[in-house]
Amino acid sequence: DIQMTQSPSSLSASVGDRVTITCQASQDIGKYLNWYQQRPGKAPKLLIYGASNLETGVPSRFSGSGSGTDFIFTISSLQPEDIATYYCQHYDNLPLTFGGGTKVEIK
Amino acid sequence: EVQLLESGGGLVQPGGSLRLSCAASGFTFSTSAMTWVRQAPGKGLEWVSAITGSGETTYHADSVKGRFTISRDNSKNTLYLQMNSLRADDTAVYYCAKDARAYYRYWGQGTLVTVSS
Repeated sequence: DIQMTQSPSSLSASVGDRVTITCQASQDIGKYLNWYQQRPGKAPKLLIYGASNLETGVPSRFSGSGSGTDFIFTISSLQPEDIATYYCQHYDNLPLTFGGGTKVEIK
Repeated sequence: EVQLLESGGGLVQPGGSLRLSCAASGFTFSTSAMTWVRQAPGKGLEWVSAITGSGETTYHADSVKGRFTISRDNSKNTLYLQMNSLRADDTAVYYCAKDARAYYRYWGQGTLVTVSS
C-alpha cells in the first residue's frame, strides 16, 4: 500500500497568513493526489483534485502543486472559516490511502 | 442534486454484527462505483471498501478483509456494508462516498458505529 505522510500535523497561524502543508507519497503517484477539508463534525469536502485542479466553487486562495512523491497545499491568505483539518489522498491504486491530516487553527 | 444518506449505525458488542446502508439519489446509481470510508474518534480518514457499479467487483482494506462485505442493490439505489466480528477498533463514523478510483466529490453525513461491551 502507498503511504501518505503529511506535515505538519497541526499549525497555528494568523488571519491573512500564508499556510503551507506538505504531503509525501511513499512511491511515485504522478499527479494522482487530492486535498480535502474537514470541519468538525462534518464530512470531508473536496478542494483540490489531480494535485492542482481547484474544485468548482472552492475559493481561489486554496491551491495545490507537486507531482511524483512531493506535494504542497497552500492557503494564500488564511480566513477564519478555514479552521479545519486538511487531508491529502492519493488515487494511484487501491487502497486510496489518506495522509494523517493537518489541523489548522487561528493564532 | 446528489444525496447520500447513511443509516444503520449504533452500539454493538465486540464480536457482533451490524449492517450499514447508504441511500443514494440524484445520479445514476447503477453506473457509479461507491466507497466506504471511516474515521475513528479524533483520528484520520481510513478507506474501507469499494465496489464497482455492477457490484461484480469489490475491494476491502486489509484491516477489514474477511469480516466486512460491501454490496449494493441497484434496484433500490442503496449501498451496504455488512460488518461481522466487530472489534473495538472498528468504532468510527462510517461515510459512504460516490466513486471509487479517483476523488470523492460527494459524501454522506456519516453514521456512528460504537463497538463496546
